[in-house]
Amino acid sequence: TAGITQAPTSQILAAGRSMTLRCTQDMRHNAMYWYRQDLGLGLRLIHYSNTAGTTGKGEVPDGYSVSRANTDDFPLTLASAVPSQTSVYFCASSEGDRGSDTQYFGPGTRLTVL
Amino acid sequence: GQNIDQPTEMTATEGAIVQINCTYQTSGFNGLFWYQQHAGEAPTFLSYNVLDGLEEKGRFSSFLSRSKGYSYLLLKELQMKDSASYLCAVREGDYKLSFGAGTTVTVRA
Repeated sequence: TAGITQAPTSQILAAGRSMTLRCTQDMRHNAMYWYRQDLGLGLRLIHYSNTAGTTGKGEVPDGYSVSRANTDDFPLTLASAVPSQTSVYFCASSEGDRGSDTQYFGPGTRLTVL
Repeated sequence: GQNIDQPTEMTATEGAIVQINCTYQTSGFNGLFWYQQHAGEAPTFLSYNVLDGLEEKGRFSSFLSRSKGYSYLLLKELQMKDSASYLCAVREGDYKLSFGAGTTVTVRA
């Protein structure tokens, strides 16, 4: 099974340009998440969605937006990229129940903003 | 918010045991997770603790003390493939996780 896919794998982007990182899961999970991972800082939550049609802000939401039109897709948009958004971006999903609710991660997108 | 602390790096010999500690401060604890992340790859789930005590899964075990805000991940019979970063993550309230910065474990022959 595919699990979670992300596209693109990597991207170099000029500052000021916009970009959408794509994330799709085929596990019918209710909850989805976007994280960025920077050296020495660990994974930080950008935005999340508990269920289709709802989204929420995480720890570092500024400069990013998300939408959740359906269960499977959770795109992350950078409206006007800045060099500080250079990072590795991981999408994750979970069933969204209140038990162990394990999060499963996609392979990541490595973004460089110049 | 969360304050999650774990050592930055640890080195151990193949076949040995390594214990990675994680301390946290939270107002509404709702579970602690350990993930493994190899360089250049995605994190993968290792263990989950919500009650005090030890959870054992083969060569890996995880311990939790909620009153002390403390967990550890124990890796036994270390293998070269265990060289990776190990991430401690705490859930407070609903589904969201807060992650520590990770501990890089290097296994040497």
